[in-house]
Formats: sequence, C-alpha cells, structure tokens
Amino acid sequence: NAGVTQTPKFQVLKTGQSMTLQCAQDMNHEYMSWYRQDPGMGLRLIHYSVGAGITDQGEVPNGYNVSRSTTEDFPLRLLSAAPSQTSVYFCASRSTRAGELFFGEGSRLTVL
Amino acid sequence: AQKITQTQPGMFVQEKEAVTLDCTYDTSDPSYGLFWYKQPSSGEMIFLIYQGSYDQQNATEGRYSLNFQKARKSANLVISASQLGDSAMYFCAMILTGKLIFGQGTTLQVKP
Repeated sequence: NAGVTQTPKFQVLKTGQSMTLQCAQDMNHEYMSWYRQDPGMGLRLIHYSVGAGITDQGEVPNGYNVSRSTTEDFPLRLLSAAPSQTSVYFCASRSTRAGELFFGEGSRLTVL
Repeated sequence: AQKITQTQPGMFVQEKEAVTLDCTYDTSDPSYGLFWYKQPSSGEMIFLIYQGSYDQQNATEGRYSLNFQKARKSANLVISASQLGDSAMYFCAMILTGKLIFGQGTTLQVKP
C-alpha cells in the first residue's frame, strides 16, 4: 500500500531555478491537491484537481503550475523559484465520494 | 466566503483530562464536510475524524469526538482522557465544492 508518494523529500534551489514536485497516488482517488505549510502555520491550498484533465486554483496559486493528465499523478511546477516559496509542501488525495484526505509525507523546499 | 477559524493558538491540558479544541466555519453551501487532523512534531498529517453536513449524529472515533453544532457553524474536537502522545498541532478543515481548506491550527500540550 503505497498511498500518496511525494518526491523529492528535500530540495534546495537557487532563486530563479525551476523544479517539479512529483505526487502519485495508487488509490484511484479523483481528488488531488497541493498545500504549502509555513512554520507555525496551517496548510494553505495551492491548486487542486477533481479528476484527470481538471485543475483549479486554491488560496495561494501564484508562482505554481499543475497538470492532471492521469488519475494517478499530480505534479506541482515552480517555474522560477523565489525565497518566498521556501516551505513544506504536502500532496493529498481523496475519493470524492467520502472519506479522509490522505497525505504524502511532505517535501521540504528551500529557495536561496 | 468560505472560511474556517481556529481561535486557540495554544492549549494546555492535564494528562487523563478531557480537552475541547474549537473550530468554526463559514459557508452558505448546505453540503460540506469537516475534518480534524493531528500533526505531531515529526510533521506527518494524521486523520482523526470526519463529519458530513448531513450526518445526523456527531462523529466519534475512539477517544475523539466531534461536537457538531450546525446552527452555530461549529465543529469542536473533544479529546477524552488525554495522553502525553496527544501533544501535537491540531487542524480543523472543511471540504466543499471540491476544495478542502484548513484552519490555522491549535497547538495542544499535555502535561504529566
């Protein structure tokens, strides 16, 4: 049971670099989402998707792109990293019928 | 606007006592769900309990119960018989129209 898998777990970037955080789930969940968590703060929704081919913006979408070409995968792209994007990123998935939101282990990103 | 609020940044409770963590929400949509998650210092997100807006009874899961007062738009988490391992950050969250948003969190410390 892999659940929700995020990679990488740690990443250091320089300002202006681009990168992709990968997220995959093997539970056939329709709903997938990305959150960022800053120190001592709650989780803020970046982007979410309710199914393959469908994405929408959350609370803090600027500076991030997503795509959902398959049910399983929901990558998060930073096109030009900024120090303000230093954070811990969580991917999560859920069945739209009911039930809990399953989280990945988190990816700690530092932008210098 | 949809919003979820946790007004207690930090709480203390004596071991073996019960504690209530507050959560209020704001939405005009009649169909929504409410979650509570625990985040220990290790960082993972642990699902505790879920309440649907149409559920007639308050949700319970072991030592956790959700005091759902729909008219007041509150969904407080009650932890009975607190244990030292309950020391963590606790997040209330709401899902509606495919979007799941989190409150700012409450840090709970259990004293021996």
